Amino acid sequence: NAGVTQTPKFQVLKTGQSMTLQCAQDMNHEYMSWYRQDPGMGLRLIHYSVGAGITDQGEVPNGYNVSRSTTEDFPLRLLSAAPSQTSVYFCASSYVPDYYNSPLHFGNGTRLTVT
Amino acid sequence: AQSVSQHNHHVILSEAASLELGCNYSYGGTVNLFWYVQYPGQHLQLLLKYFSGDPLVKGIKGFEAEFIKSKFSFNLRKPSVQWSDTAEYFCAVVRGGSQGNLIFGKGTKLSVKP
Repeated sequence: NAGVTQTPKFQVLKTGQSMTLQCAQDMNHEYMSWYRQDPGMGLRLIHYSVGAGITDQGEVPNGYNVSRSTTEDFPLRLLSAAPSQTSVYFCASSYVPDYYNSPLHFGNGTRLTVT
Repeated sequence: AQSVSQHNHHVILSEAASLELGCNYSYGGTVNLFWYVQYPGQHLQLLLKYFSGDPLVKGIKGFEAEFIKSKFSFNLRKPSVQWSDTAEYFCAVVRGGSQGNLIFGKGTKLSVKP
């Protein structure tokens, strides 16, 4: 049972480059989300999705795009990387955010450095 | 806007000391409250949650938290910490009755000296 799988684990980009962080879950979860974690800032929600074809912005969406073409996958795209996007990114999922019955499951994170 | 405040950025304790980590939230309505733990190099894991009922909630690994509605607080406690409790702890809130998004506090790093 893989749970939430994020790739890559580490990535270094140059300013202006674009890339996609992958997130896949095999639990048939409808709800998926992306957070970024920065020292002293906790986790901040970037984008989330409540099902295939439905996405919405979180607290810090600027500079990121998402799409949800399947239930399993929720990729996060950096359009033009900036040093301010250096962070650790976590993908999380649950059965439609019913936190009583379905805790949020986190992936192991992607550590991104933008130089 | 709903916010979550964790008072301590870094707490250092010796083994067997008692722990209390503070968490306050700003939302005035019904809330659901959580504590997550992140061990070094790992992802976040749920420690405990409060939805309703007994305001004293017991979680895994001997942790407990008390919901005090009048103080908008949900402090995490453990009577006797172990070296293996070294981790970062995050309080999180979601509006009760809503299937919204979790709002996390900034986290408290706990270091336990052996």
